[in-house]
Amino acid sequence: KAGVTQTPRYLIKTRGQQVTLSCSPISGHRSVSWYQQTPGQGLQFLFEYFSETQRNKGNFPGRFSGRQFSNSRSEMNVSTLELGDSALYLCASRDRGPAEAFFGQGTRLTVV
Amino acid sequence: DQQVKQNSPSLSVQEGRISILNCDYTNSMFDYFLWYKKYPAEGPTFLISISSIKDKNEDGRFTVFLNKSAKHLSLHIVPSQPGDSAVYFCAASLNNNDMRFGAGTRLTVKP
Repeated sequence: KAGVTQTPRYLIKTRGQQVTLSCSPISGHRSVSWYQQTPGQGLQFLFEYFSETQRNKGNFPGRFSGRQFSNSRSEMNVSTLELGDSALYLCASRDRGPAEAFFGQGTRLTVV
Repeated sequence: DQQVKQNSPSLSVQEGRISILNCDYTNSMFDYFLWYKKYPAEGPTFLISISSIKDKNEDGRFTVFLNKSAKHLSLHIVPSQPGDSAVYFCAASLNNNDMRFGAGTRLTVKP
């Protein structure tokens, strides 16, 4: 079974631009969550999608948005990028029931 | 709001000794707790979990203890090995919803 795939692995963007990150979950997993990792802040929860619906949302501004497709693949979009958005963005997929999440390797976003 | 807290950003132990990583949470409704381990340039990987109906779960060298009255959990690694050096995140979830993570503790095991 293939793991969680995130693309691209690395990205450099300029302030004010927008970016789209992609996450392909493990086959059969319907839940995809997104996290932002920055030094000292740990993993900050962005949002979770389940069956194409946003089920939960963290405390991030509206510039951060996401969606999930019928094949469970998910995308995260950040508009009007700020320097502080530089971080490792991780997505995780899991089964419907209580289960551990499986993470992708992340997308390292650098905003200059 | 930081519902899950790991107050020690780093921990250094000698190989063969016990490593104890601590985690506190504020939401008493959390019903499932997990520990993840993360190496540089990799995503976090699941290590061990515990349900709120238990107070201890053991898997080889790793044991997680849960103290619900204190809203505290800890991860014990014994004996510690250099390969255990990584960042450890604790996480909590409620009703199978998304997880809330702590800030992580960087463990260094010295040979």
